Amino acid sequence: GQQVMQIPQYQHVQEGEDFTTYCNSSTTLSNIQWYKQRPGGHPVFLIQLVKSGEVKKQKRLTFQFGEAKKNSSLHITATQTTDVGTYFCAGHDTGGFKTIFGAGTRLFVKA
Amino acid sequence: GAVVSQHPSRVICKSGTSVKIECRSLDFQATTMFWYRQFPKQSLMLMATSNEGSKATYEQGVEKDKFLINHASLTLSTLTVTSAHPEDSSFYICSAREWGGTGNVQPQHFGDGTRLSIL
Repeated sequence: GQQVMQIPQYQHVQEGEDFTTYCNSSTTLSNIQWYKQRPGGHPVFLIQLVKSGEVKKQKRLTFQFGEAKKNSSLHITATQTTDVGTYFCAGHDTGGFKTIFGAGTRLFVKA
Repeated sequence: GAVVSQHPSRVICKSGTSVKIECRSLDFQATTMFWYRQFPKQSLMLMATSNEGSKATYEQGVEKDKFLINHASLTLSTLTVTSAHPEDSSFYICSAREWGGTGNVQPQHFGDGTRLSIL
């Protein structure tokens, strides 16, 4: 069945360093969403990408959707301690009936 | 923004007890609600998807007689863990999504989760 692989599983960075997490789907996606879960909290929606090759930015966060709509990435520039948490991608199959979450990437930021 | 209230936040009970968890969308109509289970430091494991007024669709390996889901209204879904045992101890999170039209997938809005501990 459809799978969404997310890497890395976790990453430790020094504050100020950049961070990137990647998602790859086994099938073409209609769109992809990104969520952030702070420690002890619940996932919070960040953004949705729909178009092939789409790039969106939210301050220090840059989201990309691949040309084939099978992969996506989230890049954080100059991480801060407030960026700590787990970042999940969630891919939707064509038609959007099925949502598949990636395993998440846990980000640790050392001050 | 869209708010989802999940209650209770924590439950501790004896083995054999049935536990009901409520998930409410407070300021939007949730045509679809999802129930997840999350183990420590792990991803979200989808248990079931429910559409208002319909029977829930359970993921493979999830016992529907064990985890009863009701989605009777556009703002409320409940998950009942029947005859809970220690292996059912986990963090259960619901999410709600409103209808965005054909092909337009809206984001999921998550509740705060329920930590269930079965003694």
